[in-house]
Amino acid sequence: DIVMTQSPDSLAVSLGERATINCKSSQSVLYSSNNKNYLAWYQQKPGQPPRLLIYWASTRESGVPDRFSGSGSGTDFTLTISSLQAEDVAVYYCQQYYDGLLYTFGQGTKLEIK
Amino acid sequence: QVQIVQSGAEVKKPGASVTVSCKASGYTLTTYAMHWVRQAPGQRLEWMGWINAGNGNRKYSQKFQGRVTITRDTSASTAYMELSSLRSEDTAVYYCARDRGFCSGGACYHDAFDVWGQGTMVTVSS
Repeated sequence: DIVMTQSPDSLAVSLGERATINCKSSQSVLYSSNNKNYLAWYQQKPGQPPRLLIYWASTRESGVPDRFSGSGSGTDFTLTISSLQAEDVAVYYCQQYYDGLLYTFGQGTKLEIK
Repeated sequence: QVQIVQSGAEVKKPGASVTVSCKASGYTLTTYAMHWVRQAPGQRLEWMGWINAGNGNRKYSQKFQGRVTITRDTSASTAYMELSSLRSEDTAVYYCARDRGFCSGGACYHDAFDVWGQGTMVTVSS
């Protein structure tokens, strides 16, 4: 199984400041034949389903504000919110879809306003 | 618009089975795979399985093998997830989610999950 580990578990950032969440996979999720990282980021607010933010590690989903960006390759990935807004308070999850027999998610990072 | 609407909350006794449905609209069900993901209280998201809604092929997480069955009714644009032999640890919110990769010629090109149902709370209690 590919284990996804996020850090930190929780994070408090001031409005307008940068927030950075890390995700590490236990094995590479870079598929060599197409040079794509099978890694996504989701945002989940209380009482709501997850919302896709980023796929292929760095491609922003349609409608997602450009303050959200993803980076990284292989086993180490980062989600960055460049200027935190109040509506960004949520839990963020990374997910690998490299292993089509077992998709796995990180444990989540709770983002709050400082 | 593209959306998925799930069936309502369920309360079941240990040992029973539950079936959750998700009705897709705004797109053709058979063109995409549908995944099932659950989230127990305070826990991370847990993938259960997926179905190629075009040809009905399915893959299940080893953890749920033998207890979960995912099906679809193309005429109703609806996918179903049945979980049997319920125990208290199965208390969770169950989601269906569309794979943004398309299915064609019997194969699906897997991708992230771009459209989610609203979730169905399943409570298992005696």
